[in-house]
Amino acid sequence: DVVMTQSPLSLPVTLGQPASISCRSSQSLVYSDGNTYLNWFQQRPGQSPRRLIYEVSNRDSGVPDRFSGSGSGTDFTLKISRVEAEDVGVYYCMQGVQWPLTFGQGTKLEIK
Amino acid sequence: EVQLVESGGGLVQPGGSLRLSCAPSGFTFSSHWMSWVRQAPGRGLEWVASINQGGSEKNYVDSVKGRFTISRDNAKQSLYLQMNSLSAEDTAVYYCARYIPGTIDYWGQGTLVTVSS
Repeated sequence: DVVMTQSPLSLPVTLGQPASISCRSSQSLVYSDGNTYLNWFQQRPGQSPRRLIYEVSNRDSGVPDRFSGSGSGTDFTLKISRVEAEDVGVYYCMQGVQWPLTFGQGTKLEIK
Repeated sequence: EVQLVESGGGLVQPGGSLRLSCAPSGFTFSSHWMSWVRQAPGRGLEWVASINQGGSEKNYVDSVKGRFTISRDNAKQSLYLQMNSLSAEDTAVYYCARYIPGTIDYWGQGTLVTVSS
């Protein structure tokens, strides 16, 4: 199985400041079709998960442009340029390159 | 607008069975892979199972193989998860999700399954 490791697991951030979450995979997430299947999800308190980013860096419709994804191979990052109150929640990375699909442990973002 | 509505959760005794259902709308159900993902109380996300468009290909996480069965009825526009031999470790919110190769793009609101005597 592909193991996904996130850091940090807890991320206190001051409003308006940037935030960064790292996700590392135990194997390359480059599929045979050349695409890299690394996704980021946001789960606000009491809500279902919502996809933010797919294929490393593609933002979903309606996702603010303060969210960005980057990385390659086995090393990926989700960045929030300026944290807002509505960004509070848990963020998960997920690999889609092979079964079983696997998620990182989650990073809990809170406001300082 | 894509919507996924789960039902069938509840309290079940250890060793018991439960069938979850998911009613999709807003997209052509028969054209998409579908999945179940669960989240134990206070824990992270765990993919459970996926099924292809026609139901001929199914994949499961090891911990549920032989106990859970994912299925679909395209005529009825429904996705199912039959769960047998349930244990406390299966207690979780179960999410129905739309799977596109490499990603999950939509999630339902979830249904809570509690396994307890």
